[in-house]
Amino acid sequence: QKEVEQDPGPLSVPEGAIVSLNCTYSNSAFQYFMWYRQYSRKGPELLMYTYSSGNKEDGRFTAQVDKSSKYISLFIRDSQPSDSATYLCAMNGAQKLVFGQGTRLTINP
Amino acid sequence: GEEVAQTPKHLVRGEGQKAKLYCAPIKGHSYVFWYQQVLKNEFKFLISFQNENVFDETGMPKERFSAKCLPNSPCSLEIQATKLEDSAVYFCASSPRGHPNYGYTFGSGTRLTVV
Repeated sequence: QKEVEQDPGPLSVPEGAIVSLNCTYSNSAFQYFMWYRQYSRKGPELLMYTYSSGNKEDGRFTAQVDKSSKYISLFIRDSQPSDSATYLCAMNGAQKLVFGQGTRLTINP
Repeated sequence: GEEVAQTPKHLVRGEGQKAKLYCAPIKGHSYVFWYQQVLKNEFKFLISFQNENVFDETGMPKERFSAKCLPNSPCSLEIQATKLEDSAVYFCASSPRGHPNYGYTFGSGTRLTVV
């Protein structure tokens, strides 16, 4: 079993929809949780990070962490075609990142 | 500069040949990480450096892979006697400190194709 599980999709939604992306993990020692966005042929770029359980909002993006369920989510409101990318969750594991598989998201105009 | 520069962007090698990849971290960042991305986005940690010292090499296939970060030079990742399974995108990232809280900045990657 992988330490971090993420549905690879693909996920396709119409413009303006609310998108929900999720990851589960098995290592209860993880404390920092991140979401990266990766466009085709590019490196991942950090979108959001959250420490421990709770919510964090940044513009159209909201990150949620539920440590009791070992479950994290990223919500994108008013989705735009420019949000089309692969979204990767990542967590800290002993001074290195452990990534989920990534979810490929397409926002259709 | 404010970006992690990776060269070359693409590299094609015949099976058994050597491959060498380079990474110039952001100036002032003391941590460098190498990741391998294969098969539909699977990211595998290879090695990390704190300045020129190996910090964590638990992900390195030691028999063929080696890496260095020397002062005043780009960091490098070298694969001796490449195999077909080494075909992947290799990403380098740097951070001012090793803790993920400070965020890693990734380069655009080097796409290695072994034929």
